[in-house]
Amino acid sequence: DTGVSQNPRHKITKRGQNVTFRCDPISEHNRLYWYRQTLGQGPEFLTYFQNEAQLEKSRLLSDRFSAERPKGSFSTLEIQRTEQGDSAMYLCASSPMTEAYSPLHFGNGTRLTVT
Amino acid sequence: AQSVSQHNHHVILSEAASLELGCNYSYGGTVNLFWYVQYPGQHLQLLLKYFSGDPLVKGIKGFEAEFIKSKFSFNLRKPSVQWSDTAEYFCAVNVGGKLIFGQGTELSVKP
Repeated sequence: DTGVSQNPRHKITKRGQNVTFRCDPISEHNRLYWYRQTLGQGPEFLTYFQNEAQLEKSRLLSDRFSAERPKGSFSTLEIQRTEQGDSAMYLCASSPMTEAYSPLHFGNGTRLTVT
Repeated sequence: AQSVSQHNHHVILSEAASLELGCNYSYGGTVNLFWYVQYPGQHLQLLLKYFSGDPLVKGIKGFEAEFIKSKFSFNLRKPSVQWSDTAEYFCAVNVGGKLIFGQGTELSVKP
């Protein structure tokens, strides 16, 4: 178990630029989740995949956000035309779906700062 | 809408003190509940989980939690905290395959 890997660890970008983050889940896990966390708050659900299918996307998620999981392995989260309000920690998690509600295994996150 | 509420934002205790962190959820279906911990500089880790059966569940590092259905609560407890328990603690409920988290409680344990 090598854990969930996220890259980059930190990203600083200027307002209006596009950014892309990558998540590599634990290899046998078929569910992959994206969350966002701001200071003093708990993780906020963004979207999740089962294999390559995107099963749910938060209604709070702007159209500027898009996620993909080609071939059901790694996933990318892209934010277009970034805004200062997008500054946050973006967390990826995976789970094996071996039981009805398997716990999530989290990565260390990508911290985004929009200037 | 489903939600999780954690009553305390910041708790400060001395070593050996007893701990209880409150968690209430708002969800009408069958609940699966979790407590996660985030130590400084580390990723979120599972402390314990409740699926069904005995409402008193035991987790790692001496933590336990009690599910009280009538009160919609899942409070976390530890009889005697250590300095190494300093961390942020998050309660979560599984809703339709995804976790909904509370806002977290920061625990500071003074040596």
